Amino acid sequence: GAVVSQHPSWVICKSGTSVKIECRSLDFQATTMFWYRQFPKQSLMLMATSNEGSKATYEQGVEKDKFLINHASLTLSTLTVTSAHPEDSSFYICSATGPWQETQYFGPGTRLLVL
Amino acid sequence: GENVEQHPSTLSVQEGDSAVIKCTYSDSASNYFPWYKQELGKRPQLIIDIRSNVGEKKDQRIAVTLNKTAKHFSLHITETQPEDSAVYFCAATLFGNEKLTFGTGTRLTIIP
Repeated sequence: GAVVSQHPSWVICKSGTSVKIECRSLDFQATTMFWYRQFPKQSLMLMATSNEGSKATYEQGVEKDKFLINHASLTLSTLTVTSAHPEDSSFYICSATGPWQETQYFGPGTRLLVL
Repeated sequence: GENVEQHPSTLSVQEGDSAVIKCTYSDSASNYFPWYKQELGKRPQLIIDIRSNVGEKKDQRIAVTLNKTAKHFSLHITETQPEDSAVYFCAATLFGNEKLTFGTGTRLTIIP
């Protein structure tokens, strides 16, 4: 149980384009989903927290107009990187918590490369 | 907010020996402490967790100890195997808060 999927697993795009990443909880209803960014050899940096049906809460320093988060249902959250630039290249990972609240289960991650 | 420090940043251990990774946290209200293992290019996977109402938890070769007074907790891996090589992250949170604060990670290498 507690499986989280993420799509796509990797994406290469041109500078200036937008990229959408999906995060799904497959076998449970996720009360909260989280989006992280991870640079090579570094820890996970929380970008935002999203609850179904409400606006995401962004961490300090994260541009909400650049990283659009939509949490339309209890099993799906999306992150859209708008007008992507090479510095946005990173490993983006989502996680979800269910009714048990505290334990976060992670998706497999999406590797984004902006050329 | 919470701040979690993790040491060491890298650790090399001979196969069969034990490995210990330590974390300290700043917020005395934190009461849930998970440990994640992340292999290269893959997702972090929960390997063990502990709540503040217990001092130790064990699962086969893995154990976690918690000292609430000193605000530190440790991961112990015994009889290490090559497949234990990975990056390990500790984290802390207040139950109900949901947001985890991660340590900086420890790259563990098991030497055959």
